[in-house]
Amino acid sequence: GQQLNQSPQSMFIQEGEDVSMNCTSSSIFNTWLWYKQDPGEGPVLLIALYKAGELTSNGRLTAQFGITRKDSFLNISASIPSDVGIYFCAGVSGGSNYKLTFGKGTLLTVNP
Amino acid sequence: DTEVTQTPKHLVMGMTNKKSLKCEQHMGHRAMYWYKQKAKKPPELMFVYSYEKLSINESVPSRFSPECPNSSLLNLHLHALQPEDSALYLCASRLTGDHEQYFGPGTRLTVT
Repeated sequence: GQQLNQSPQSMFIQEGEDVSMNCTSSSIFNTWLWYKQDPGEGPVLLIALYKAGELTSNGRLTAQFGITRKDSFLNISASIPSDVGIYFCAGVSGGSNYKLTFGKGTLLTVNP
Repeated sequence: DTEVTQTPKHLVMGMTNKKSLKCEQHMGHRAMYWYKQKAKKPPELMFVYSYEKLSINESVPSRFSPECPNSSLLNLHLHALQPEDSALYLCASRLTGDHEQYFGPGTRLTVT
């Protein structure tokens, strides 16, 4: 089956620093989704990417859909304490056979 | 509005109890999902409903019984669970034809 490699597994940074995380796959995806999950809560959709090469921003977040359609990255600029959480990438495959494949997550800790 | 609601927020049940988890959305989404999530792991797909019909069962034990009474509601009936079934149970929904999937806040289930 399809697998996503998400890295890094965890990050410890100082407030104000920029953060980058990425996902790679051996398979092509039609769409990449990035979620953030706070402890005890459900994942919240941050950014959706639909086309190869697409670069999308949402406030301090920037994400790109890799040109090969097999990878995506998420950048967070000027991190703040509320950025703490687990970030998951998810690749969408299929049309009528819609399927969401998750990465294993990146645990972000921001030291004030 | 991209809200999916779930009740209860927390549930503690014994191994002989019968309980139900509820999920609701009013976004007109006709694809609804149940996921199970263990700590610091990505969500694992359990069931998919499409137009109120069960379309995917990811080999989930029969002690979990899903139900979709109408296009806005999704239930998960629980009976004779095991302690290893303790987890965060997430509901999600998607507009058919779109790739973005929206999650509820989850139900934290503890089986004693």
